Amino acid sequence: DSGVTQTPKHLITATGQRVTLRCSPRSGDLSVYWYQQSLDQGLQFLIQYYNGEERAKGNILERFSAQQFPDLHSELNLSSLELGDSALYFCASSENLRSGGGPYNEQFFGPGTRLTVL
Amino acid sequence: GENVEQHPSTLSVQEGDSAVIKCTYSDSASNYFPWYKQELGKRPQLIIDIRSNVGEKKDQRIAVTLNKTAKHFSLHITETQPEDSAVYFCAASFTGGFKTIFGAGTRLFVKA
Repeated sequence: DSGVTQTPKHLITATGQRVTLRCSPRSGDLSVYWYQQSLDQGLQFLIQYYNGEERAKGNILERFSAQQFPDLHSELNLSSLELGDSALYFCASSENLRSGGGPYNEQFFGPGTRLTVL
Repeated sequence: GENVEQHPSTLSVQEGDSAVIKCTYSDSASNYFPWYKQELGKRPQLIIDIRSNVGEKKDQRIAVTLNKTAKHFSLHITETQPEDSAVYFCAASFTGGFKTIFGAGTRLFVKA
């Protein structure tokens, strides 16, 4: 158990719908990352938040958005869902970055949310 | 943009043999290179990492080497066992930035 929790574990919905995925980071971790993993594919970085602020963006679609709340949990919102959005969505967390170069962003992954769009 | 290339995409070895997975990265500012193992249906888990000020690191049967000049790093698994069968991802990141770029993954099969 990495200490990162994600809900729900499974989500089945229809095209055009909107869903929200939730992530709670490890205690003390300020950074949260979201990844998309399609069937037999690699990990596609979507977005990262650090202490409530967006810090890095990957290939995240405009239909997707995320936020990190004051209690550090994060939500990923997926709207106007398409069949191709079906994937495993992982959240990861890492300890806070300090000035001077460290720490080195070791990420701890949650169990993932499997989204199926029908 | 930043990119990490990983080879091979699939690797099949006999139990007891060695396995080598190679990655190259494009961002010369990258200074942290973790390797993750993902078993079927499970989350990726860190198995070893290396910082840019180190050329090699070993942990039991697993070792990683880094060549910063060539922007190349590799994972070496010796005396492979069936439980080593999984997908392995390399990644590169920069502590001054916040993005970790993952390679496409290598599916390792260890045949008993």
